[in-house]
Amino acid sequence: SQQGEEDPQALSIQEGENATMNCSYKTSINNLQWYRQNSGRGLVHLILIRSNEREKHSGRLRVTLDTSKKSSSLLITASRAADTASYFCATLVNQAGTALIFGKGTTLSVSS
Amino acid sequence: NAGVTQTPKFRVLKTGQSMTLLCAQDMNHEYMYWYRQDPGMGLRLIHYSVGEGTTAKGEVPDGYNVSRLKKQNFLLGLESAAPSQTSVYFCASSYSIMTQETQYFGPGTRLLVL
Repeated sequence: SQQGEEDPQALSIQEGENATMNCSYKTSINNLQWYRQNSGRGLVHLILIRSNEREKHSGRLRVTLDTSKKSSSLLITASRAADTASYFCATLVNQAGTALIFGKGTTLSVSS
Repeated sequence: NAGVTQTPKFRVLKTGQSMTLLCAQDMNHEYMYWYRQDPGMGLRLIHYSVGEGTTAKGEVPDGYNVSRLKKQNFLLGLESAAPSQTSVYFCASSYSIMTQETQYFGPGTRLLVL
């Protein structure tokens, strides 16, 4: 079963707007990661947030983590057409921390 | 560095045929993974390896076998392909046993089983 679930499944915005997508998970985690996948390509790591962190920034990306609610959010500010992609959250699958479980993803479409 | 490469990029099989997907990484990573991606399902872990000579089952291992004879290569085998194995397969690798390592993905292999 999926550990992470992204919401919404699809999001359409205009260039310059902010995009927010959310991820909920079921069990305790060590860290949560966000990945991007452009159409027909492999996944690319965006940002990692540890369980003892609440917020993290990387360029136009801002990630928050609320372990009490078992949820995370990814905010992309001042979006660009090049941000059009699918975004996945991923969490560790077991206590040994050897593999990630991915959610089903949010498909973001940014129009100019 | 080529990163993570996958061979082949695309393949069509008939039901019952066998094939091997090859994943290679040149980053000296210890961990390697095979995922499948289906529409609306996200990525699901098939098998993974924590080092040369080791393999372990993931979420959906049935119908697949893997081998990690060399550190840089991770092979995924389908002994008797079924239409349900039509999917896009991604290989990934990560550096060490540390739990906070990110994964690097290959470009994927599209497999169609008729």
